[in-house]
Amino acid sequence: EVQLVESGGGLVKPGGSLRLSCAASGFTFSSYSMNWVRQAPGKGLEWVSSISSSSSYIYYADSVKGRFTISRDNAKNSLYLQMNSLRAEDTAVYYCARDFSNLGFDIWGQGTMVTVSS
Amino acid sequence: QSVLTQPPSVSAAPGQKVTISCSGSSSNIGNNYVSWYQQLPGTAPKLLIYENNKRPSGIPDRFSGSKSGTSATLGITGLQTGDEADYYCGTWDSSLSAHVVFGGGTKLTVL
Repeated sequence: EVQLVESGGGLVKPGGSLRLSCAASGFTFSSYSMNWVRQAPGKGLEWVSSISSSSSYIYYADSVKGRFTISRDNAKNSLYLQMNSLRAEDTAVYYCARDFSNLGFDIWGQGTMVTVSS
Repeated sequence: QSVLTQPPSVSAAPGQKVTISCSGSSSNIGNNYVSWYQQLPGTAPKLLIYENNKRPSGIPDRFSGSKSGTSATLGITGLQTGDEADYYCGTWDSSLSAHVVFGGGTKLTVL
């Protein structure tokens, strides 16, 4: 079965750090660009970051640039998001998503909740 | 404030047709492919349309996509109560900081 499973979310204080993971299975992970997309409670989708299949190309939303780092380990079929200097406005459900074709995100994980609060 | 503009809500009766618009600019929709997503309450988004008008395997042909200039449209025919959800458009924006952008979302109510 093709699936993505996120983990690593939780409650963290402002200024703290968290590392999210996304485990892929059922497809050739190393062939696809991957993304992190977040959704604050009651709000719309917000793209966070993208990484190409070989990690050659990496992009970030302005709102997280300099604080978040996306990476992947194709040998472990895993995607990561290192989040530092967290702020209250980073509170959201974080999804990993596969880029099937030209930014068509066809496979999404179930999401992991990140809450930044003192 | 989203770069892509969608109507906050649309509604129609079961069996009817509805369209959802997504308006952008030359830096995004005008020169890039558009995707559409459906998000049912409490679930992850689901890809409905990619590359402007292509449907992934398993998506019924009741769902269609089109693009003209700097706007895109999602069409849904034969509305069902199960179509009640939030719908988002997305594309690449090649302005100062290249990035992916989503519309603000449209809540579809099937009356």
